[in-house]
Amino acid sequence: AAGVIQSPRHLIKEKRETATLKCYPIPRHDTVYWYQQGPGQDPQFLISFYEKMQSDKGSIPDRFSAQQFSDYHSELNMSSLELGDSALYFCASRGDRKETQYFGPGTRLLVL
Amino acid sequence: QKEVEQNSGPLSVPEGAIASLNCTYSDRGSQSFFWYRQYSGKSPELIMSIYSNGDQEDGRFTAQLNKASQYVSLLIRDSQPSDSATYLCAVNRPPKAGSYQLTFGKGTKLSVIP
Repeated sequence: AAGVIQSPRHLIKEKRETATLKCYPIPRHDTVYWYQQGPGQDPQFLISFYEKMQSDKGSIPDRFSAQQFSDYHSELNMSSLELGDSALYFCASRGDRKETQYFGPGTRLLVL
Repeated sequence: QKEVEQNSGPLSVPEGAIASLNCTYSDRGSQSFFWYRQYSGKSPELIMSIYSNGDQEDGRFTAQLNKASQYVSLLIRDSQPSDSATYLCAVNRPPKAGSYQLTFGKGTKLSVIP
């Protein structure tokens, strides 16, 4: 079965640079969630989109923005990167009758 | 107080034993509960979901929910070394405007000893 696709899988950036993370949800899923997981931490909700509209916002810094496109893929744009942004970034998609979220493999971002 | 609480462990059990993982949550309005398994550096993988009081069984896994006590548990029977991972309890906030964001506990690290 098709799963959530994320790209890139690994990313190394310098401080103050920008990064764009991409997420392709499971086909026919209309909701995308972004989570950030720091070392030794649990995943923290950043932002979600339903039918291409932002549906909820969590602890996403103002330096970050995201959107969902007409094909339901989503991009997380991160600017003025800081050392503390180094983390695993997961995208999850949902689209079935229950509230089950399926996670992608994640993007490991390292900010030097 | 964190919204979802778990013992961080590590919880060590011998191979073949039953592993019992516990989780409590603070928001009485929570409606859906999930257990995810996460291997180091990998993404969370859904193990069980439960929505109503009682037990839900799937193979070697049983999830138990007690809304009155705000308590969720996961039992793993016949534990295998491959079950060694961090188990994350996740709770859906009451939905608003189509959002079902998950709030996670910090996870319990399980180690199954051969």
